[in-house]
Formats: sequence, C-alpha cells, structure tokens
Amino acid sequence: DADVTQTPRNRITKTGKRIMLECSQTKGHDRMYWYRQDPGLGLRLIYYSFDVKDINKGEISDGYSVSRQAQAKFSLSLESAIPNQTALYFCATSDFVGNTDTQYFGPGTRLTVL
Amino acid sequence: LAKTTQPISMDSYEGQEVNITCSHNNIATNDYITWYQQFPSQGPRFIIQGYKTKVTNEVASLFIPADRKSSTLSLPRVSLSDTAVYYCLVGDMDSGNTPLVFGKGTRLSVIA
Repeated sequence: DADVTQTPRNRITKTGKRIMLECSQTKGHDRMYWYRQDPGLGLRLIYYSFDVKDINKGEISDGYSVSRQAQAKFSLSLESAIPNQTALYFCATSDFVGNTDTQYFGPGTRLTVL
Repeated sequence: LAKTTQPISMDSYEGQEVNITCSHNNIATNDYITWYQQFPSQGPRFIIQGYKTKVTNEVASLFIPADRKSSTLSLPRVSLSDTAVYYCLVGDMDSGNTPLVFGKGTRLSVIA
C-alpha cells in the first residue's frame, strides 16, 4: 500500500551495528505495527502502538526497540544487530473502525546482518 | 482471541476453484474472521472479512457455518497470479485491543 512507506528497502549491516528502520503512513491511522518474517515462519509481531503515547511488546521484542515519534511515524531499532535478525521486516497500520481492525502493510525492508 | 489452524500448503491447477478451510474452535461471540493474502516479498493485503454466513466480494467468498468454529475461503477459477500465502485471523469486535495474530498461513501454489 503506497500510503505506508518504509525506509530503507534493503540494508546490509555488520554484527554489532545499530540499525534503525523507519515507517511512515499517510492513512491517518492511530495504530502501527512492526513485524518480522522469516522463511516458513509466517509473520511475527515485534512491537505495536495503538496511539502516540502507547507502546506494547509483541511476541518477539527481545533485541528490538521502537519509537512512535508522531501519529504518522513509527521506527524500529536494533541496538546491536546480530545475524539471526536477518529477515524481512514489515510495518503496518490500522484503525479500529466499525468494530473491526484492517491492517495495511508497507513494502517491507530486507535486512541482512553479516 | 481464538487460535486458528489452517493447512500449511495446497496445490491447485489453473481454472479450478480453491477452498481453504480455517479452524477456530474457540471463537468467541464477539470475534470476527479476516483473511489476508501475501505475495512473495510483499506485505499481506486484506481480502475478505465476515462474522457469519456468507460474504462475497470481487476477489473471494467467505463461508462461515452457524457454529462459527471454522471458515472457508473460496477462490473461484484460480490463475497463476493467485499463488500466494493466505492467512486466516480472528479479531475482537468489542475493543480490538488485542493485536491480530497472523501465524504461518496456507501456501497456495497454482500450477498451469
């Protein structure tokens, strides 16, 4: 969805480096999410935020941190990257409207940690 | 939220109707069912959502029996471009404060 953008789209880094992945959205949604995807493991939730002052851990938050700078921006940081954090990372947004929650995903960031 | 179970993979020939069934035995009264589609190297995208009976849109149909313990996504006359992973999710209508869980999905391979 072009309304959800992620930067960078690809990144190669070395073990121990600090990395930040950024997500921006123009959909005006309050809710934002970070997922990682590994081959054969589906999508796993890292962190989520239901509004600017809200941050929640997902199922695999260890080794990651997030910052919700504004309604439209949600960044994911790897404080000290390690090889098993090599994965495809997706940002998503949603809004709880009509008693349902539909998520819209960005194009993904492919991260390789050497 | 109810846990969902769906087949890991399915194969189909072009032109056939494909039905992917998802089990959600512990679905609650205030839960709804949503399906997403994910093409390789892209983020998932919403395809259909329902609470009970049948829902149809331009992409698919969703069949939900009266007991709501399962749901079936039906893709009519699939083509090679329908090759993707399909995820079944259950969401909470009351507050939506629990994030959706995607799981591993069903990998559909359409063969010419």
